[in-house]
Amino acid sequence: GNSVTQMEGPVTLSEEAFLTINCTYTATGYPSLFWYVQYPGEGLQLLLKATKADDKGSNKGFEATYRKETTSFHLEKGSVQVSDSAVYFCALLISSGSARQLTFGSGTQLTVLP
Amino acid sequence: DTAVSQTPKYLVTQMGNDKSIKCEQNLGHDTMYWYKQDSKKFLKIMFSYNNKELIINETVPNRFSPKSPDKAHLNLHINSLELGDSAVYFCASSQHGTSYGYTFGSGTRLTVV
Repeated sequence: GNSVTQMEGPVTLSEEAFLTINCTYTATGYPSLFWYVQYPGEGLQLLLKATKADDKGSNKGFEATYRKETTSFHLEKGSVQVSDSAVYFCALLISSGSARQLTFGSGTQLTVLP
Repeated sequence: DTAVSQTPKYLVTQMGNDKSIKCEQNLGHDTMYWYKQDSKKFLKIMFSYNNKELIINETVPNRFSPKSPDKAHLNLHINSLELGDSAVYFCASSQHGTSYGYTFGSGTRLTVV
């Protein structure tokens, strides 16, 4: 089956530190890959995506590269801010006929301290 | 101009009651979903409807019944609420055949006491 494994949190960093959140996946076929972010008390927002191998998704200083050889989609940011504190979810999407299902990892809580 | 809207945002109710959560999307998407997020933030799909037809129905107690009057609406009705139903429920929508992922509502926090 399809699954996503994320590094466990919580992750606590100081402002301006470098961030990496690891994500690996198992999938039949060729998935699209996503990172979603959930700020406290809010719903999930799409942060970035990549639809094929070697694609790099980027947004708001965050980046992730679709690595087919290592089945990974690690999230990185060079300098985090307090406002980046949130839960980050890696997800994959495979279309199977009419049944498209977004499968999420377990989420990683990030706290950035001033 | 909210894209996916859910109501209510908070719902506190007693065990045994029946409640509904409503969801509407104005994006013109043809597929809608319900996800459940537990206290550890884990997200699990419950149902998916494509053009008003049920296409995904995960292992969910039959006390949960989705209803889709049209492709812009997907409501969730829960009978005989139990303590374990306490969670945040998210509605989402997407357009079949695209790789844009899903657009989520802001969630409904259900607390059963």
